[in-house]
Amino acid sequence: GQNIDQPTEMTATEGAIVQINCTYQTSGFNGLFWYQQHAGEAPTFLSYNVLDGLEEKGRFSSFLSRSKGYSYLLLKELQMKDSASYLCAPADSNYQLIWGAGTKLIIKP
Amino acid sequence: IAGITQAPTSQILAAGRRMTLRCTQDMRHNAMYWYRQDLGLGLRLIHYSNTAGTTGKGEVPDGYSVSRANTDDFPLTLASAVPSQTSVYFCASSPQGETGELFFGEGSRLTVL
Repeated sequence: GQNIDQPTEMTATEGAIVQINCTYQTSGFNGLFWYQQHAGEAPTFLSYNVLDGLEEKGRFSSFLSRSKGYSYLLLKELQMKDSASYLCAPADSNYQLIWGAGTKLIIKP
Repeated sequence: IAGITQAPTSQILAAGRRMTLRCTQDMRHNAMYWYRQDLGLGLRLIHYSNTAGTTGKGEVPDGYSVSRANTDDFPLTLASAVPSQTSVYFCASSPQGETGELFFGEGSRLTVL
């Protein structure tokens, strides 16, 4: 079956760095997305990885290892506004997104 | 402002009633999707449409129907609502379909009693 595994909740300190891991098992693979979702709001796109390696975009970076079925989202210089859920979503052979339940990130001052 | 809008934002509905959630986008995106989001679970795809005039079933289509008469509108209908359909529903669109970024509406919170 298809499965996404990411931590339910993480806590970090303002100004610090946090890494949110995601492991996945899908029928085929056509890239992996990360989305951010603030409480009570819609998800918004953060990143898309289709090849192995690190993609950097400002304070956020995303890494993919296709052979390991593994991705992580790295958030640097954490700000209070980064408190949100982070959703990992690989695309399967039919290009359907398989969504993880999300990691709730709590930022403390 | 370009974007994707959903209505209603929130609705309480008696079981057995028919309900249509509306979704409209003005970005001329070809692909549109309906998801439901329940606590502790990932987003689950209900139905999708890759282009106007076509629709497809997602992971959890039972009890729901959709239509795509034109590019902009993608309504979701619950023919006879049941309490298990209590959820937050998100409509999304994508310019590139299969591997494109999804743009989400603000969501419709539906409670079925």
